[in-house]
Amino acid sequence: DAGITQSPRYKITETGRQVTLMCHQTWSHSYMFWYRQDLGHGLRLIYYSAAADITDKGEVPDGYVVSRSKTENFPLTLESATRSQTSVYFCATGTGPVYEQYFGPGTRLTVT
Amino acid sequence: KQEVTQIPAALSVPEGENLVLNCSFTDSAIYNLQWFRQDPGKGLTSLLLIQSSQREQTSGRLNASLDKSSGRSTLYIAASQPGDSATYLCAARGARDNYGQNFVFGPGTRLSVLP
Repeated sequence: DAGITQSPRYKITETGRQVTLMCHQTWSHSYMFWYRQDLGHGLRLIYYSAAADITDKGEVPDGYVVSRSKTENFPLTLESATRSQTSVYFCATGTGPVYEQYFGPGTRLTVT
Repeated sequence: KQEVTQIPAALSVPEGENLVLNCSFTDSAIYNLQWFRQDPGKGLTSLLLIQSSQREQTSGRLNASLDKSSGRSTLYIAASQPGDSATYLCAARGARDNYGQNFVFGPGTRLSVLP
């Protein structure tokens, strides 16, 4: 039972490049989330999705784009990476309106 | 806007001690509150989820309580073990329109249990 997988697990990229982080779940949970975790800021919500083709902004959406054409995938794209986007990115899923959240292993992204 | 704080930021205890981790939130209108543990370099593992209508939840040596009126939750760990060493985070899910009623996380408490 793979649950939630994220790829790549580690990524180094240069400023200005486009980067896509992948998130895949095997549970068919309706809700999916992207967080970033930074020292001094904790976990902050970037985007979330209630179902396929339904996405909405979280606390820190600027510079990020998401899509969800299939229930099981929720990619996060940095259109033009900046150093301030160096962080650990976590994908999570939830089962419904009063849901428990389940987290993936994270992607450590470094923008040079 | 919901804000979540956790005290202490770090805690070191000898093995076998019972301990309490604290979580405070500013907006008492929450749907539920979830406790997680995070091991270094790893993702978050769900420990307990307390609904707003509940006072406490238990799982093994863990007991989480919720007092909405005072904006507080506690995580009690009985008979601590070195394997309990990790960062513990709480997250409050708001009932008001806060990013689609999603979770707001606290900064975490880093726990070290010494053998």
